[in-house]
Formats: sequence, structure tokens, C-alpha cells
Amino acid sequence: GAVVSQHPSWVICKSGTSVKIECRSLDFQATTMFWYRQFPKQSLMLMATSNEGSKATYEQGVEKDKFLINHASLTLSTLTVTSAHPEDSSFYICSASGRARPRSNQPQHFGDGTRLSIL
Amino acid sequence: ELKVEQNPLFLSMQEGKNYTIYCNYSTTSDRLYWYRQDPGKSLESLFVLLSNGAVKQEGRLMASLDTKARLSTLHITAAVHDLSATYFCAVDITSEKLVFGKGTKLTVNP
Repeated sequence: GAVVSQHPSWVICKSGTSVKIECRSLDFQATTMFWYRQFPKQSLMLMATSNEGSKATYEQGVEKDKFLINHASLTLSTLTVTSAHPEDSSFYICSASGRARPRSNQPQHFGDGTRLSIL
Repeated sequence: ELKVEQNPLFLSMQEGKNYTIYCNYSTTSDRLYWYRQDPGKSLESLFVLLSNGAVKQEGRLMASLDTKARLSTLHITAAVHDLSATYFCAVDITSEKLVFGKGTKLTVNP
């Protein structure tokens, strides 16, 4: 079964609204969570890495004020897309890594993704 | 900066045929992973390769790793339609951070 739960799976909203995506590790403590963005027919691009209790590290070119990441507990990280615009429409995928995770040869466990469509 | 190159990026093949997807990477690493992605879905882990010479097989897919050549291959034997998907390799560099290839979109035709 899934070890990382991502919610919601699909969001459609108007331009200018903020959208929050949740990523939960279900049966292990996720000390590190990763957020990726994937545009159609492209690969996954890492947006940021977050460690529990500390500020996220953003990849070059990713606006930290636009994509707010919170990793306040060992089982939950959230990504908030603030004042979303149509160009933010994409598939967002979270992943988690941490202590005593199941199938521990996996570097990361991936959520099911969130498809964000901004009208 | 680590670069991961996959080829081909697009592969159309007939059922029953064999083919190999290649994954080259630019810096030293002995941890490489293969994933499958179906349209609209997230990643599904296929293989974990953790040492030079590692070979893993699952059904019609076989993956191998040559760390000296910085090369991994994903071999498809007697392809079937259900294998149609996009396949990604990813290299683990540090702190469990992954760098992905661009993906190979595989289409298996009847």
C-alpha cells in the first residue's frame, strides 16, 4: 500500500487564488521531503527540499515566496502555491525519505501527485 | 553538476520485440533507480541498483548497472502492450537527492 499520501489529487481554481497541497508519510517518519514539478511530456524537476523543523532549500529559479513549503512535523509537509496563475498549472509530486522507512533501499517514496489547473 | 542522459527519448516497438534503453550519468555514483510512469500517474519504482555489476529482473524487464562506465541499461524482452509507459532513470547523488533523466516514452504496438 501507499506509504506517502498526497492530497488533493486534482485542483482546478481561478487565477489569483492560493492552493495548498499536503504530503503525508503514513507509516514512517519523513525527515526529508521533496517537492517536484512536472510539465507535460517532461521529466520531474526538483523544486525544493525540506527537512523537518527547518526552512526549505529551493532549487535555482524557484521562487520561494511563490511556493511556500512547510514541514512542521515528521509526517506532514505542505506546498502552497500563492496567487496562482495559469503558468503554474502543472503536475506536482511530493516524495519523502526518512528513518525506518519501509523498503529502505528506496531513496524516496513518492506521492500520487496533484494535478493543478489554473484558469 | 550531475547530468543524467537517457536514450532514446521515444521508442515505438512491436509486440514481441526486444529493445534496450540506456541511461548515462556524468559523475560517480553507485546508486541508480528505474521508475515507470503511466499517463496522469506518479512514479512507480521498478528497480534499485546499488552496486557495480548489479542486475535485477522483473518479468520482461531487466536492469543493469556499470558504475565504471556510468551506464545503466533497461532491457525489454518480448515486449507487450502493457509495458507502454514512460520510463525514468534517476541517480542518487547526496542526501538521497535524485537527479532524473528526461524519460523514455515507450509505445508497444500490437
